[in-house]
Amino acid sequence: EIVLTQSPATLSLSPGERATLSCRASQSVTSYLAWYQQKPGQAPRLLIYDASNRATGIPARFSGSGSGKDFTLTISSLEPEDFAVYYCQLCASWPPEYTFGQGTNLEIK
Amino acid sequence: QVQLVEFGGGVVQPGMSLRLSCVASGLTFSTSGMHWVRQVPGKGLEWVAVIWFDGSVKYSADSVKGRFTISRDNSKNTLYLEMNILRVEDTAVYYCARGNGVNYAYVDHWGQGTVVTVSS
Repeated sequence: EIVLTQSPATLSLSPGERATLSCRASQSVTSYLAWYQQKPGQAPRLLIYDASNRATGIPARFSGSGSGKDFTLTISSLEPEDFAVYYCQLCASWPPEYTFGQGTNLEIK
Repeated sequence: QVQLVEFGGGVVQPGMSLRLSCVASGLTFSTSGMHWVRQVPGKGLEWVAVIWFDGSVKYSADSVKGRFTISRDNSKNTLYLEMNILRVEDTAVYYCARGNGVNYAYVDHWGQGTVVTVSS
């Protein structure tokens, strides 16, 4: 079973700052890694898929990178609406095993 | 636009059963892989089950294996989750979600969720 560990658990930043969120897998994995944003009372929203592809309608300030065991979500300049919880998620190859990280809470400093 | 609307949540006692439904619109349901994902309030996301576009392949999480069954009716654009022998720890918001990519690796559309509470 692959475990995804996100860090930090909480990240306190101000609007305009750069946010770097980490997701580490317990073993080397394919790049079928996705990032989601979730705001209180809402369903998650897909931001990034296949490690580095932005989903439809996602602003260019969101970017994903990484391979192997280490993946990163970067928000280049935080907007007020970006403060939320972020999850990474992986699909292992076969049989498919879908795993979420525990989340990073991005809060306003 | 894509809409996924879940039905069937409620309050049940431990050991009882419940069936969730999800009606899809605005997408080609018959060619879409579908997931159920759940979330305990205030906690993280947990994948529950996936079904291939034609129902030929199904997988579920170890935590629900043998108790929950995912199925679909493409003629009704509807996804189901049959939940048996419910436990207190199954209490969560259950999201219906459309999978995309290789092996439906990621979710590009989510429902708003339906709440299941298991309590005596």
